[in-house]
Amino acid sequence: QVQLQQWGAGLLKPSETLSLTCAVYGGSFSGYYWSWVRQPPGKGLEWIAEINHSGSTNYNPSLKSRVTIAVDTSKKQFFLRLTSETAADTAVYYCARGRLVDNVFDIWGQGTTVTVSS
Amino acid sequence: DIQMTQSPSTLSASVGDRVTITCRASQSISSWLAWYQQKPGKAPKLLIYKASSLESGVPSRFSGSGSGTEFTLTISSLQPDDFATYYCQHYNSYLFTFGPGTKVDIK
Repeated sequence: QVQLQQWGAGLLKPSETLSLTCAVYGGSFSGYYWSWVRQPPGKGLEWIAEINHSGSTNYNPSLKSRVTIAVDTSKKQFFLRLTSETAADTAVYYCARGRLVDNVFDIWGQGTTVTVSS
Repeated sequence: DIQMTQSPSTLSASVGDRVTITCRASQSISSWLAWYQQKPGKAPKLLIYKASSLESGVPSRFSGSGSGTEFTLTISSLQPDDFATYYCQHYNSYLFTFGPGTKVDIK
């Protein structure tokens, strides 16, 4: 059974950089896209970026200038960096597996709460 | 960009009720629509893909329909475990878009 486990710093000061890691346990790493999705407190879901095993990426244009997504296929891990954090970036960040055939997220990580505050 | 809207934003219902949630796209998206269920403090869970296909392991009381610009998620007989927020989602031109969500709470 495929599981995603994610971790990273939960409290940041404004202008700092968010760094998150998501590890994939079980199942294939290739053949899927791997995404980050976030959810501000009390609000809806916002897709951030995706990457595949060979490093091909797509970004949400609204965040593209501040986001980097990367992959380490040997460890079956992928990463998110979001620079110039502000309070508006306070959210729960999820990693998720994207199916290529129908472009849906079928497996999700447990979520990481990130708070940006001085 | 394609915009997704959902109605209602909140729905109050009782156990056993038939519940219908609507998702509309700003332009035709064929059948490329998914539905997710999210409970407080938990990650979303995929329920329906390609508008009407039930994800493996999801109870058959959940069903999806629609194509083009209007889609519905129906829960045939609401169960206590179904009180949650439901999101629709579309993918187009390398961009994933979620609807704003519909919260189903206890009447």
